[in-house]
Amino acid sequence: KQEVTQIPAALSVPEGENLVLNCSFTDSAIYNLQWFRQDPGKGLTSLLLIQSSQREQTSGRLNASLDKSSGRSTLYIAASQPGDSATYLCAVSLNQAGTALIFGKGTTLSVSS
Amino acid sequence: GAVVSQHPSRVICKSGTSVKIECRSLDFQATTMFWYRQFPKQSLMLMATSNEGSKATYEQGVEKDKFLINHASLTLSTLTVTSAHPEDSSFYICSANGRALYGYTFGSGTRLTVV
Repeated sequence: KQEVTQIPAALSVPEGENLVLNCSFTDSAIYNLQWFRQDPGKGLTSLLLIQSSQREQTSGRLNASLDKSSGRSTLYIAASQPGDSATYLCAVSLNQAGTALIFGKGTTLSVSS
Repeated sequence: GAVVSQHPSRVICKSGTSVKIECRSLDFQATTMFWYRQFPKQSLMLMATSNEGSKATYEQGVEKDKFLINHASLTLSTLTVTSAHPEDSSFYICSANGRALYGYTFGSGTRLTVV
């Protein structure tokens, strides 16, 4: 059974710091991995999608890497801002379109000004 | 982009009543939709997979007679919580996965409170 773990569970940093969020999964036979952001009481916003054949994706200050063989992904946030404060969720899908995502418990990030 | 609209965003109902939550894909056809629930400070737990024109597939431990799912068209799936009880209070969120899309798009969620 696929399990997704995110470390740390919570993180507090001052504005401007670069930071790394970690995600690990037990079954390397994934189809893709997706990072989401969730604000309190809100839905999910997709940040980055990495296909199983890819090693990284970048969007603005965000960079996500994927090492499928070791079952790990990292989300790198450069020059953090207070507006980045949210919960970041990592999720994997096992097969082609049609199967659900399996989520980690998330990392709650707080960036202070 | 791919947009999923979920309504209502918040609902309070009395114990024993039923509540319907709608999930619509606005600019794409969603052959498959997923329903999740999320308890405070917990991750999203898959409840069921809904395929257009067929019965939903429920995860272990989810009562199919209590959580009725209908996916009658390529753009609409509904979740009805029947005979709701306070323990059903949670955040429910849908996700759609269309034919031509990579990745998953989520609705904005529904906060259900049963009193």
